[in-house]
Amino acid sequence: GAVVSQHPSRVICKSGTSVKIECRSLDFQATTMFWYRQFPKQSLMLMATSNEGSKATYEQGVEKDKFLINHASLTLSTLTVTSAHPEDSSFYICSADGGKRGATDTQYFGPGTRLTVL
Amino acid sequence: KNQVEQSPQSLIILEGKNCTLQCNYTVSPFSNLRWYKQDTGRGPVSLTIMTFSENTKSNGRYTATLDADTKQSSLHITASQLSDSASYICVPLLRDQGGKLIFGQGTELSVKP
Repeated sequence: GAVVSQHPSRVICKSGTSVKIECRSLDFQATTMFWYRQFPKQSLMLMATSNEGSKATYEQGVEKDKFLINHASLTLSTLTVTSAHPEDSSFYICSADGGKRGATDTQYFGPGTRLTVL
Repeated sequence: KNQVEQSPQSLIILEGKNCTLQCNYTVSPFSNLRWYKQDTGRGPVSLTIMTFSENTKSNGRYTATLDADTKQSSLHITASQLSDSASYICVPLLRDQGGKLIFGQGTELSVKP
């Protein structure tokens, strides 16, 4: 089946630094990638949708200048948490859609990245 | 407002037993509904995907049902195993929303020996 990887799997950083998380579709081309955030004991919350070659669409309440998303190729999207603070500590998960935009059954999730900001 | 409610919030069962998890949703317009399994510290893994015209779908020991009229779905797990301990999440897909998923809170299942 389709595989989505994330790197790093976990990262610890100091407050004020920036952290980049990569999401790759390993054996398919992803026209659309999604970024989610999950706090302990809570459900996944969609942060933004990114389509290859265009600007990401952010959900209400998500600061686009703080969470920079780049989807430069059909197999790679990156999320950069700029000037990270302890409240940004969370589990970040990406998913990749290999079908036509809005396809119903071709969305695959990465294993997640645990971010801890000290 | 698009909402998904799952019950129970948590469940403990003995290994080998069956269980059924419930999902009520008010998502509209509705395209399909998925059930995911999420192990602690891992990304979700798809178990089943059903369109509004499907009533039931099985994947091994997992059987999902869907009643699009009452907007209810269930996930039945047969002969539970210790490895079934995870969070099970009901996820409707909004139609014409570019693949946007609405995640339920999930049911935390714990299978004990």
